[in-house]
Amino acid sequence: AQSVTQLDSHVSVSEGTPVLLRCNYSSSYSPSLFWYVQHPNKGLQLLLKYTSAATLVKGINGFEAEFKKSETSFHLTKPSAHMSDAAEYFCVVSDPGTSYGKLTFGQGTILTVHP
Amino acid sequence: SQTIHQWPATLVQPVGSPLSLECTVEGTSNPNLYWYRQAAGRGLQLLFYSVGIGQISSEVPQNLSASRPQDRQFILSSKKLLLSDSGFYLCAWETGHRRNTGELFFGEGSRLTVL
Repeated sequence: AQSVTQLDSHVSVSEGTPVLLRCNYSSSYSPSLFWYVQHPNKGLQLLLKYTSAATLVKGINGFEAEFKKSETSFHLTKPSAHMSDAAEYFCVVSDPGTSYGKLTFGQGTILTVHP
Repeated sequence: SQTIHQWPATLVQPVGSPLSLECTVEGTSNPNLYWYRQAAGRGLQLLFYSVGIGQISSEVPQNLSASRPQDRQFILSSKKLLLSDSGFYLCAWETGHRRNTGELFFGEGSRLTVL
């Protein structure tokens, strides 16, 4: 069975400072991993994905994530936060052997950016 | 380009009333379609998926049903709403003929409040 743990329910940073959103996963297979962002009362948007190629993945809006198999982690980072980054972020794992749509979503991390 | 439309955006309904949420996708053919529910402070729960017209799979037993009358139309329904049906409903699609790519495209969501 697959699972995802987002280690922080809330993260607060100042504009211009680095962002770190932590995610650990558990999977019986070689998983695909994703980060999605959700702005208030909006749908989710894919930020980036890892699918067994390069372990450092770059996404949209300056975000990147590093897949570390030994630590079963897929933390999301950004060098400098912007006010528009304030949103909820979801780490997602997909096992290719499972049924359609059986993505496992983390509980989400709410990112607050202070001026 | 592909777009996904979901409506209504907001809905307040009394207990026992019917429900119909609609989702349409443009710019692609034979997509996999999904309905998810997002309860406050929780991750996403897969409700239904469809890989083709008239093909519906339910992931959890519940008071809801889904239909796919056309290739790019997905409808979520209920005959009698319960208080527990309140939540944020998200329609999503992914490229057809593939499974669990993890690359989902979400609609803007429909917030349902049952009173």
